[in-house]
Parts: sequence; structure tokens; C-alpha cells
Amino acid sequence: EAQVTQNPRYLITVTGKKLTVTCSQNMNHEYMSWYRQDPGLGLRQIYYSMNVEVTDKGDVPEGYKVSRKEKRNFPLILESPSPNQTSLYFCASSRGSLSGANVLTFGAGSRLTVL
Amino acid sequence: AQSVTQLGSHVSVSEGALVLLRCNYSSSVPPYLFWYVQYPNQGLQLLLKYTTGATLVKGINGFEAEFKKSETSFHLTKPSAHMSDAAEYFCAVSDPGGYNKLIFGAGTRLAVHP
Repeated sequence: EAQVTQNPRYLITVTGKKLTVTCSQNMNHEYMSWYRQDPGLGLRQIYYSMNVEVTDKGDVPEGYKVSRKEKRNFPLILESPSPNQTSLYFCASSRGSLSGANVLTFGAGSRLTVL
Repeated sequence: AQSVTQLGSHVSVSEGALVLLRCNYSSSVPPYLFWYVQYPNQGLQLLLKYTTGATLVKGINGFEAEFKKSETSFHLTKPSAHMSDAAEYFCAVSDPGGYNKLIFGAGTRLAVHP
């Protein structure tokens, strides 16, 4: 089954404790992206990647890091989480770039709480 | 800069009634437009999209949307609501010129009452 898999689905952590949210897709998609979803704000892009070793900032990159060492994986790293990073996070992937109106396939989401 | 406005963060309808979810966008070029749906505890999935051509777009589960350039709108409709339509709906726009992201609206939560 074609899918985007995120882990963990739920996480409660404390301020400053580094964490990684993994994302993996099995569709051989070139494009991958991370979004955060907050009430009243919709989804905002954190980082995206056009292909292996090619990443770029989205609208809200502060406090996050990403890497794309393999085509299928795109982990989101919070080096020193803070309470304002409490949010619902989505990884998504697409064949080709979004300028071609390609459709994003989303993971099920990772709900992160930073105390 | 592109932006998307969804009028009404919450919409409530009776089962069998018309569903109308409003979306307006601002874009300097004709955009690609999308509606995504998010069911509880799930990721977003595509309902329908407009790229070029016919302005009335049909999607899954009986939903459709009409692109009106003069009104910069892309409202989502369904003639008869079903209980299973209860979800959050997001309108999104991408720029054919090359921005590698979708700009999402804030979302509209649809409640369907018996």
C-alpha cells in the first residue's frame, strides 16, 4: 500500500530534550515536506526537500532541522524543543514538484507536546 | 504573496442539507486550487483539484467545486450532507510559477446533525 509513515504518532517531552520525528514514504516520491497544524492557522510549511541532499526552508523553519540522506526518508529534528513547538505535525510527499499541481500524500500526523 | 481565506471556521448542517464551504484566494497568477479533507485522527486526503480547463470540478464522495476567477473563489459544495462528511476541510493554493509549497487556509470544521 502506498503510504507515508510517521513515528511517533504521539509524544510528550520536556523543554530542551532533543527529539526526532521520522517520516518514510514507499512511493519513490522526489518531493517531501513537513507541515505543522495549529488551530485557526491551518497548515504551515516547515521545510521541504526536492530530492536527496536538497532541502529548503518553508514558512516556519525556526527551531527545526531536516535531512534527506535517502529518497524515502525525511526526518524532522527538534534540537531543543520549546513549548511553542507543541503542535500536530504532518509529513507529506509528492511525485515531482508542486508547481506541476502534483498531489500531496500525507502521513497520519504526529502530535507533539512540549512541557 | 498568495493567501487563502476560508469563511467560517465551523459550519453545521443537517443530514441531507446542502453543504457549502467557502474559499477565496489571492494570487498574482492563476493558481492551482485544491480541497483536502481531514477525518479525525487522520492525515489530509485530496477531495478535488483545479488546474486548467473546466471550471466545475468534481471530486470524491459527491463533492464538487467551481473556480470563479472574477470572484477569486473556489467554494466547495455537496447537494446532500451525510453523517460521514463530518470532518475538517482545507482549501489550498499552489503557484504554477514554481513555489514548492501549498498555501493552506485555516480550515473549516463541518458538523452534520441527524
